[in-house]
Amino acid sequence: QKEVEQNSGPLSVPEGAIASLNCTYSDRVSQSFFWYRQYSGKSPELIMSIYSNGDKEDGRFTAQLNKASQYVSLLIRDSQPSDSATYLCAGLYNFNKFYFGSGTKLNVKP
Amino acid sequence: SAVISQKPSRDICQRGTSLTIQCQVDSQVTMMFWYRQQPGQSLTLIATANQGSEATYESGFVIDKFPISRPNLTFSTLTVSNMSPEDSSIYLCSVQRDSSYEQYFGPGTRLTVT
Repeated sequence: QKEVEQNSGPLSVPEGAIASLNCTYSDRVSQSFFWYRQYSGKSPELIMSIYSNGDKEDGRFTAQLNKASQYVSLLIRDSQPSDSATYLCAGLYNFNKFYFGSGTKLNVKP
Repeated sequence: SAVISQKPSRDICQRGTSLTIQCQVDSQVTMMFWYRQQPGQSLTLIATANQGSEATYESGFVIDKFPISRPNLTFSTLTVSNMSPEDSSIYLCSVQRDSSYEQYFGPGTRLTVT
């Protein structure tokens, strides 16, 4: 089992819909997580971090962490074509290192 | 966040040669990291670079192949030595803010080895 796992997608949603991206993790990962967006040919850009159980909202984005089930998710409300990108989930280990998931490609159709 | 620059942005190199990639940050940071992202893949951590100490390498990466320097709190270099086509990849540096564990990435260096 990989330390952080994501469905590679692609995930296709219509414009205006809610996109739901999911990530599961192993016991090797401490319970701090980070979502990055990566456009093709660009470097990853931090969207949100979440450290405690529950939901964290920032604009159209909501991160959810469920420690009992060992999963973390990112919801994007009112999806826009400009949200089309690969979304990477990262979990913290050894206090300062990240395990990255393989990424989920999101396609928002106009 | 942080403003991070990398040089070169891309390069095409011949097999057997070496390339040094530079990473410059606009403010002092303790933790800097070097990652590799192969085509269509996710990010793999190569090493952690702390100022004033030897870099810490992840499993599968060795200092002879990827020597790293960290002369001060705003700068680091990664050298890819004795390159082969398998080293063709995007190399990214990142920095971590001390108050949180968030990492911010530079724009990357796209390396092609022929």
